[in-house]
Amino acid sequence: GEDVEQSLFLSVREGDSSVINCTYTDSSSTYLYWYKQEPGAGLQLLTYIFSNMDMKQDQRLTVLLNKKDKHLSLRIADTQTGDSAIYFCAFSSPTSGTYKYIFGTGTRLKVLA
Amino acid sequence: DGGITQSPKYLFRKEGQNVTLSCEQNLNHDAMYWYRQDPGQGLRLIYYSQIVNDFQKGDIAEGYSVSREKKESFPLTVTSAQKNPTAFYLCAIGGPYNQPQHFGDGTRLSIL
Repeated sequence: GEDVEQSLFLSVREGDSSVINCTYTDSSSTYLYWYKQEPGAGLQLLTYIFSNMDMKQDQRLTVLLNKKDKHLSLRIADTQTGDSAIYFCAFSSPTSGTYKYIFGTGTRLKVLA
Repeated sequence: DGGITQSPKYLFRKEGQNVTLSCEQNLNHDAMYWYRQDPGQGLRLIYYSQIVNDFQKGDIAEGYSVSREKKESFPLTVTSAQKNPTAFYLCAIGGPYNQPQHFGDGTRLSIL
């Protein structure tokens, strides 16, 4: 079945760049998403990328997609303490199910002042 | 997200009791979802509904029930058959697959 893997923890210093990684197994993944979850809150959509793209940049966020290795990454430039949260990658595709989204286990980012 | 309201924020359940979590949306979206989140795990799909009066089981539907009588509302009932209900429950709208999902702020359910 489909699977999405993420490392559980990442710690960076304020002002450094953070890179959160995600690997997936479904080669038909068409749409890949990044979400941010702050304590006690729901998931906030940060950005998403289509499988026909290699990169997408949105202000401090850069998404890279390596389809050959089935690897997705989220880079946060100039990381701030407000970026401390759990980050989830997710994907969807028509072959997985029209209304089915697969989520990773989440990476907890801790930003040290 | 604005437009998706989950209530209550915190809920406590006694043994043998059914409890209902509310999810309301004013974004006129057809599809709604319920997920369960446990620490260190990703989101697991409980139920989803594509249109009014229709819903499908997700991966962990046992011990839960839903209804979709109105487009705006998709309540989730955690029944006494769910033996380990303590979790964070998230409601979402979105789909089909080429559209991102958007989430409410969640309800945390605990056992008394």
